[in-house]
Amino acid sequence: GQNIDQPTEMTATEGAIVQINCTYQTSGFNGLFWYQQHAGEAPTFLSYNVLDGLEEKGRFSSFLSRSKGYSYLLLKELQMKDSASYLCAVRGSQGNLIFGKGTKLSVKP
Amino acid sequence: GAVVSQHPSRVICKSGTSVKIECRSLDFQATTMFWYRQFPKKSLMLMATSNEGSKATYEQGVEKDKFLINHASLTLSTLTVTSAHPEDSSFYICSARDKSGGAHYEQYFGPGTRLTVT
Repeated sequence: GQNIDQPTEMTATEGAIVQINCTYQTSGFNGLFWYQQHAGEAPTFLSYNVLDGLEEKGRFSSFLSRSKGYSYLLLKELQMKDSASYLCAVRGSQGNLIFGKGTKLSVKP
Repeated sequence: GAVVSQHPSRVICKSGTSVKIECRSLDFQATTMFWYRQFPKKSLMLMATSNEGSKATYEQGVEKDKFLINHASLTLSTLTVTSAHPEDSSFYICSARDKSGGAHYEQYFGPGTRLTVT
């Protein structure tokens, strides 16, 4: 079966660093995506990993270990506007995206 | 970047009526479009995958006769919710994959359509 796990909620302080973990078990793997979704809006693309290692893009970094079925999204210098849900998604063998339930991040002053 | 639009953004309809939602890729050609549904505080659930000029592939548990999908051109896909019921009330989001591909065939999401069935 297909299973993607990530924490339901996290809280962090403005200016801090937060790491959101994602573990997956899927029948195929063609890359892992992280999306940001504000309430009532569509997801917006943050990052993509297909090879093991760290991808850095400004304040956001994403890491992948295919052997462990594990990824994390790292957010640095947190801002209030980073309060949102963060969705981990795996592209399966059919090419479609399989989403986790999302992690709701609350950034406090 | 690539833009996907959806229309309408919000719709309220009465139980038993049908509603059509349009998804357009504005500045690229999309060979494949995806339709998702998202209930409050839940993740996106893929409903169906549509390829231009062919029948949509529905996920298990999604009624193809209730959720009609038409992908008539490389820039337009429509989802029609037929005989809507209150339990169909949800946030419907489409996404499109750029025909020209790219390193990871990124999917671009539309802004979503909030459907409320009374």
